[in-house]
Amino acid sequence: SQQGEEDPQALSIQEGENATMNCSYKTSINNLQWYRQNSGRGLVHLILIRSNEREKHSGRLRVTLDTSKKSSSLLITASRAADTASYFCATADRLTQGGSEKLVFGKGTKLTVNP
Amino acid sequence: DSGVTQTPKHLITATGQRVTLRCSPRSGDLSVYWYQQSLDQGLQFLIQYYNGEERAKGNILERFSAQQFPDLHSELNLSSLELGDSALYFCASSVTPSGLREQFFGPGTRLTVL
Repeated sequence: SQQGEEDPQALSIQEGENATMNCSYKTSINNLQWYRQNSGRGLVHLILIRSNEREKHSGRLRVTLDTSKKSSSLLITASRAADTASYFCATADRLTQGGSEKLVFGKGTKLTVNP
Repeated sequence: DSGVTQTPKHLITATGQRVTLRCSPRSGDLSVYWYQQSLDQGLQFLIQYYNGEERAKGNILERFSAQQFPDLHSELNLSSLELGDSALYFCASSVTPSGLREQFFGPGTRLTVL
């Protein structure tokens, strides 16, 4: 099954700087999703990028997808202390032929934004 | 607030016991997913229900079971608990049965097995 692997595992930056997180996966995908998780809380969906899209923006977030390299990146511009969280990429793994899919999450990048 | 609710928030119990975790999906969502998050295994998909029926199974142990009721709330039952079952359990919901759409996560239940 395919799995997103985030890189780096941890990232510490100063407020106002940009943060870039990368995700690599193993097989072809329909879409790739990014989620954020504040410590010990539920995941929050950030953005979904389809396999035929190369770039997508949402506010201060910019996601790119390179299907030839099987990789995606999440850029957070002008970071704030409130962006401190873990960020996960997720890809859909088809369970059965004609059946449902499950989201497979990587282990995440822990981002710390220092004020 | 995602609109997904989970109870209880915290649960402390002993090995060998049985517990039930409850989830109410967002209004209008028919699909419910259960995940387990632990430090060593990361976020693991357990099981999915859609409109009352089991739709997909992941890494769910035989000691665990789930169901979705006619009002669409779901329960995850964990029995013969072991220390290794200590984890955060999340419920998520989505409008379609397809895992390709975004999912909305509840706040989680933190289970501690002593």
